[in-house]
Amino acid sequence: EPEVTQTPSHQVTQMGQEVILRCVPISNHLYFYWYRQILGQKVEFLVSFYNNEISEKSEIFDDQFSVERPDGSNFTLKIRSTKLEDSAMYFCASNNVIVYEQFFGPGTRLTVL
Amino acid sequence: GESVGLHLPTLSVQEGDNSIINCAYSNSASDYFIWYKQESGKGPQFIIDIRSNMDKRQGQRVTVLLNKTVKHLSLQIAATQPGDSAVYFCAEIRDNQGGKLIFGQGTELSVKP
Repeated sequence: EPEVTQTPSHQVTQMGQEVILRCVPISNHLYFYWYRQILGQKVEFLVSFYNNEISEKSEIFDDQFSVERPDGSNFTLKIRSTKLEDSAMYFCASNNVIVYEQFFGPGTRLTVL
Repeated sequence: GESVGLHLPTLSVQEGDNSIINCAYSNSASDYFIWYKQESGKGPQFIIDIRSNMDKRQGQRVTVLLNKTVKHLSLQIAATQPGDSAVYFCAEIRDNQGGKLIFGQGTELSVKP
């Protein structure tokens, strides 16, 4: 069964450093998403992406964040200058119909020291 | 404002009993609702969905009920098993918001053998 994959599973970085989180969505999907989950809290929407552009973004997704689909398979989230409060699980998701089930990856745990 | 919330943070049931997990949402314009299950260290996993033009939908051992009058969503799990132990989130999508999923806080279901 096709699934969303994410790398790395755990990323440790120093405050102020740039990180890139990688995702490979399900191959025939057209809509891509990033969410984050701070430990013990609910999952929060960051951004949605379709047709090589951002469809929707939350207040969390400020100028420090960017997304890219550099080729036909990868979908990346970049944080330019990480802050302590960026420590969280980051989930990538994808689907083929916009108002429909989103398939989530296993997540990347980002720890900012 | 936007909110999808859950009534109870924890629920403990005996194996074999039925479980009911509740969710309240605030925006009557929501078009689509999903229940996700999240096991420790994993991404959200789809359980069942329902569109706003429906009142009830059944899956395998799970039923979702939607009461639009009081803006209430519930997930019923029949014959709860130890493998059902997880955190359960309801989530909503509103049309015209780029597929943005809005998650509730989550209910932790614990199944006692």
